[in-house]
Amino acid sequence: ETGVTQTPRHLVMGMTNKKSLKCEQHLGHNAMYWYKQSAKKPLELMFVYSLEERVENNSVPSRFSPECPNSSHLFLHLHTLQPEDSALYLCASSQDPGTKIEQFFGPGTRLTVL
Amino acid sequence: GQNIDQPTEMTATEGAIVQINCTYQTSGFNGLFWYQQHAGEAPTFLSYNVLDGLEEKGRFSSFLSRSKGYSYLLLKELQMKDSASYLCAVTDSNYQLIWGAGTKLIIKP
Repeated sequence: ETGVTQTPRHLVMGMTNKKSLKCEQHLGHNAMYWYKQSAKKPLELMFVYSLEERVENNSVPSRFSPECPNSSHLFLHLHTLQPEDSALYLCASSQDPGTKIEQFFGPGTRLTVL
Repeated sequence: GQNIDQPTEMTATEGAIVQINCTYQTSGFNGLFWYQQHAGEAPTFLSYNVLDGLEEKGRFSSFLSRSKGYSYLLLKELQMKDSASYLCAVTDSNYQLIWGAGTKLIIKP
């Protein structure tokens, strides 16, 4: 148990569906992250939030929409996804957004887009 | 471009020693991380190196040579539970974290 939880753990959706991924951290951290992990590829950073404000958006398609209502919760809203969006989506948190700091990861949501 | 290279897969025997290499070409350097990720689970932090040399932590050690753009993770007295993917990540001059694709380590009895 790393203190970062994600729901759901598995999600299958059609290209016309709308769904949301949820992440919650119980560590009192100030920064939260969304990553995409595809098989045999490096982790891709999607979004970074610091104190509920987005500080980085790595050219992610608009069909992915993040939301950070408070420092403990992070959502990723999905709509009109493509099959190539199928991947493991990992949430992480750290004490602050500086990358000299260890990140704590959640178990991920395995997303399949049909 | 920025690049992190790790072997895709390695196999080792229980009780033995294995070294997983990581080479990097990045715009600047501000530290190197190793994470462990068991199948279907979250990556977990193993080590952080910012200065040259060897950092030892129990059965695991991590080495860094900044002049060579090279690091390795050394695992001793291998146990079956060490079967996992090992991810190398480098912080560049802009404090962006660049990730390798990971090395899948298979431990055989």
